[in-house]
Amino acid sequence: AQTVTQSQPEMSVQEAETVTLSCTYDTSESDYYLFWYKQPPSRQMILVIRQEAYKQQNATENRFSVNFQKAAKSFSLKISDSQLGDAAMYFCALRGATNKLIFGTGTLLAVQP
Amino acid sequence: GAVVSQHPSWVICKSGTSVKIECRSLDFQATTMFWYRQFPKQSLMLMATSNEGSKATYEQGVEKDKFLINHASLTLSTLTVTSAHPEDSSFYICSARDLQGVGAFFGQGTRLTVV
Repeated sequence: AQTVTQSQPEMSVQEAETVTLSCTYDTSESDYYLFWYKQPPSRQMILVIRQEAYKQQNATENRFSVNFQKAAKSFSLKISDSQLGDAAMYFCALRGATNKLIFGTGTLLAVQP
Repeated sequence: GAVVSQHPSWVICKSGTSVKIECRSLDFQATTMFWYRQFPKQSLMLMATSNEGSKATYEQGVEKDKFLINHASLTLSTLTVTSAHPEDSSFYICSARDLQGVGAFFGQGTRLTVV
């Protein structure tokens, strides 16, 4: 069975600072995708960044980057220069051969002005 | 990016009635759509996988006779909550695979309240 674990229920960061959200996963498949989704109070799920497991290079999208450690099955999200609009629930997700997205329990990020 | 529209965004219904929720891919064809349920401050739980032209595949523990899914076209999937009860009150979200089949784009969600 595939599982995704987010061990930080809540995190807080000062505006303009950097924060890292943790995610670990478990899968027996060799080909899979990992995602970070953002869910603001509107509850619209927004794709932040994705990583193909076969790629060694860490994905980057502007202020968002990941640290993908395949052997350790770790997939953390780093948010640089945090902005007030980054405050939201962040979900880590795994997609394997079944095409189903398996979500972690989420991390609620607060950004302090 | 691909746009998925979900309707209605919220609905209130009486116990025993049925409610239909629509999920449309506006600018792409989606052979596969997914339906999730989310309780307050919790994660998204996959309910079923909707495949165009065939029967939906339900996750363990999801009652297929209560949550009817129809995917009659490449741009529309519907979830009907039949004989709704207060415990069915929740936030329901659909998603569709993107053109490359890699990611998933989500609808806005539907807040269902059964009174």
